[in-house]
Amino acid sequence: DTEVTQTPKHLVMGMTNKKSLKCEQHMGHRAMYWYKQKAKKPPELMFVYSYEKLSINESVPSRFSPECPNSSLLNLHLHALQPEDSALYLCASSQVDMGFLSTGELFFGEGSRLTVL
Amino acid sequence: DAKTTQPPSMDCAEGRAANLPCNHSTISGNEYVYWYRQIHSQGPQYIIHGLKNNETNEMASLIITEDRKSSTLILPHATLRDTAVYYCIVSGTASKLTFGTGTRLQVTL
Repeated sequence: DTEVTQTPKHLVMGMTNKKSLKCEQHMGHRAMYWYKQKAKKPPELMFVYSYEKLSINESVPSRFSPECPNSSLLNLHLHALQPEDSALYLCASSQVDMGFLSTGELFFGEGSRLTVL
Repeated sequence: DAKTTQPPSMDCAEGRAANLPCNHSTISGNEYVYWYRQIHSQGPQYIIHGLKNNETNEMASLIITEDRKSSTLILPHATLRDTAVYYCIVSGTASKLTFGTGTRLQVTL
């Protein structure tokens, strides 16, 4: 199984809603990532978890709250988002081979397309 | 991380080799060259990476110049399914990839 599964594929939410994006992998990877991709732009790194601990936060606003409940799951909790947060949210995973970092391949999911009204 | 420069777009005839260039003149000695591609509406897909030596796998070959200031990704026999945006990324770790604007490769009949 070399898949990273993201749910839901599409999500529409209002600015006062609380919702969550979910990501799951069963490849035994101990690093998991959230990227954000706005339309016609490249993906941008948001968070990195390594061994279920947050290791990189790219100065993401607190309305985005990541959670890694176990080595296979990664959540992104959303609250009080703005319309400009509408984007494709990509999850990825990888092996860890250099301390808490990786040097090899990242496996990406298909993404969750978020629309904030 | 070092900045990369790629042509915004390229065309390639199906069945021919696609050679995608990348300049990374400020690369540091411990930084890898990674290539990913993103087919429309899908997540990025890893292609290949290297540090100093040329690399080959079932998808592509990566040629890195001796001074490491540039590299070329080679898709030996491009097909229509290879139409995608190709990203060249230079980083000391895969845990912190900074995607640039990439090269949009269009494979045509």
